[in-house]
Parts: sequence; structure tokens; C-alpha cells
Amino acid sequence: QVQLQESGPGLVKPSETLSLTCSVSGGSITSYYWSWIRQPPGKGLEWIAYIYYSGSTSYNPSLKSRVTISVDTSKNQFSLKLTSVTAADTAVYYCARDYGSGSHDYWGQGTLVTVSS
Amino acid sequence: EIVLTQSPGTLSLSPGERATLSCRASQSVSSNYLAWYQQKPGQAPRLLIYGASSRATGIPDSFSGSGSGTDFTLTISRLEPEDFAVYYCQQYGSSPYTFGQGTKLEIK
Repeated sequence: QVQLQESGPGLVKPSETLSLTCSVSGGSITSYYWSWIRQPPGKGLEWIAYIYYSGSTSYNPSLKSRVTISVDTSKNQFSLKLTSVTAADTAVYYCARDYGSGSHDYWGQGTLVTVSS
Repeated sequence: EIVLTQSPGTLSLSPGERATLSCRASQSVSSNYLAWYQQKPGQAPRLLIYGASSRATGIPDSFSGSGSGTDFTLTISRLEPEDFAVYYCQQYGSSPYTFGQGTKLEIK
């Protein structure tokens, strides 16, 4: 059974960089696409970016200038960096496996990141 | 970007009833790459349907998806108590992937 686990700071100061890692267990990170998705408290879902295990990426244009997604196949992990954060970036951040060309069949439990001084 | 509009915003039904949820896209969804998710409070979304009509692994056949182009429907044939949750549609036919705003299915 594939499991995903997000890790990273739960509190980030405005203008700083949010950094999260997703660790994949129970399966290999190879041969799949992997995404980051976020959900502000009480609101809907927003897709942020995906990465293929080979390193090819796609970003949401609304965040592209501030986002970097990367993969480390040796550790079976992929990561997210979001720069110059503001309160609007406060959300639960999920990592997920892409299935069937872009739906998401396995999700992490999510991690709440709050942007506040 | 493709905007997905879900209706109704809230649906109040009783266990045993049939639920019909709608998702309308602002433009045609390529290859009918439309998914449905269920989300309960404090949990990650759960994939129910992909490719507009294919059930994900382990999803009961009480859940069915239909539609093509710009109009899609999720039907729950007979509501169980555990089906009351928020449901999201998502298109992944073109980048950026986008989600609808959600339909809350509540117990009447």
C-alpha cells in the first residue's frame, strides 16, 4: 500500500520561503507523476504543480513565479518550495500521486502551514 | 484555465435517497479527463471516479460518474450515512488542473 507523508515547518514568516517534503513509502517514486495541492482553511482545492520522476515539471501559472518542485529518487521523496509567502499562502498542503493522466489516487494526510509573523 | 462550477452548493438528503451532483466546465474537458473526490472533515480527498466514469479501486458501485465535454454528473444511487461529505470535481485534461468549488452533501 502506497503511503505519502508531508513534512516541514508548520509556521513560516511572511516574505520567507515555505519548504515541504513528501516521503513516499510502500512503492517506488519512479514511473509516476507526483503533485502538490493545497487547501486554505474552509476553502476548496488548488493544484500547485507536478513532477515526473525523471524531473519534468508543470506549474500552475498563478504560482509559477514563486514555486519550485523537485524530486530525489534515491530517497523516494519529492519537495516543494514556495518563496515570498504571504498570509494568502496559509493552507493545508497535500502531496499526491498522479493516476490515469492526472487524477490523484494516493494522498498524504496533509500538513497545515500558517504564514504569520 | 478551465473553470469548473459545481451545483448545488449544498444538497440535503436522507439516507437511502439518490444524490445527483453536477459539474459544469467553462470549456470542453480534453479526453473527458474529469475526476470526482470525496472529502470528510480533517481528511485528505479520496478519489472516487476518474476519466468521467471509471470507478477508482475499492469504490462501491453505488457511485457512478457520467458526462462528457462540459457537463458531468456524479450519482450516488442509495445514500449511506458515511456518504455525507463534500464532493469535488477536478479536470486534468489541460494545465493547470482545476477543481470545482465543491458540493456539500448533508443529512436532511
